[in-house]
Amino acid sequence: DIQMTQSPSSLSASVGDRVTITCRASQSTRNFLNWYQQKPGKAPKLLIYVTSNLQSGVPSRFSGSGSGTDFTLTISSLQPEDFATYYCQQSSIIPWTFGQGTKVEVK
Amino acid sequence: EVQLVESGGGLVQPGGSLRLSCAASGFTFSRHWMSWVRQAPGKGLEWAANMKEDGTEKYYVDSVKGRFTISRDNAKNSLYLQMNSLRGEDTAVYYCARVLHDAMDVWGQGTAVTVS
Repeated sequence: DIQMTQSPSSLSASVGDRVTITCRASQSTRNFLNWYQQKPGKAPKLLIYVTSNLQSGVPSRFSGSGSGTDFTLTISSLQPEDFATYYCQQSSIIPWTFGQGTKVEVK
Repeated sequence: EVQLVESGGGLVQPGGSLRLSCAASGFTFSRHWMSWVRQAPGKGLEWAANMKEDGTEKYYVDSVKGRFTISRDNAKNSLYLQMNSLRGEDTAVYYCARVLHDAMDVWGQGTAVTVS
């Protein structure tokens, strides 16, 4: 199985901050790496697919980059509605696996 | 509107069974792989199972293999998860999700399963 490790596990930030979350895979995911946002009590929402493709309707302040085993989700200017938990997920090899999540909290 | 609606969750005793359903609308269900993903209380997301468009391929996470069965009825635009031999560690909210571009792009609201 491919193990996905996110860092940090949590972070505190202010509105307007640039936020970066990293995701490292235990082996190459061939760039089949996706990012989701989840708010309490709600279903996850797809933000980025296949490393860097912005899902329709997702604000352009979200971006993804990386290759092989190391990937990054960047929020260029944090907005109030962005406080949530973020998960990376690989879809290269079955079983699909998620990172443990990164909680973005208000500073 | 593209929508997935899960149902069938509830309280079940260890060793019991439950069948979850996911009703799809607003898109051509038969053209998409579908997934089940679960989330234990206060924990992260865990992918559980995938099924190909025509039902000919199914995949499971090891922890549910031999106990859970994913199935679909394309005529009814529905996805199912038959869960047998349930354990306490199966307690979770179960989401169904549509697969597009190797990602899960549409999610249902989830249905809660409690094994106790």
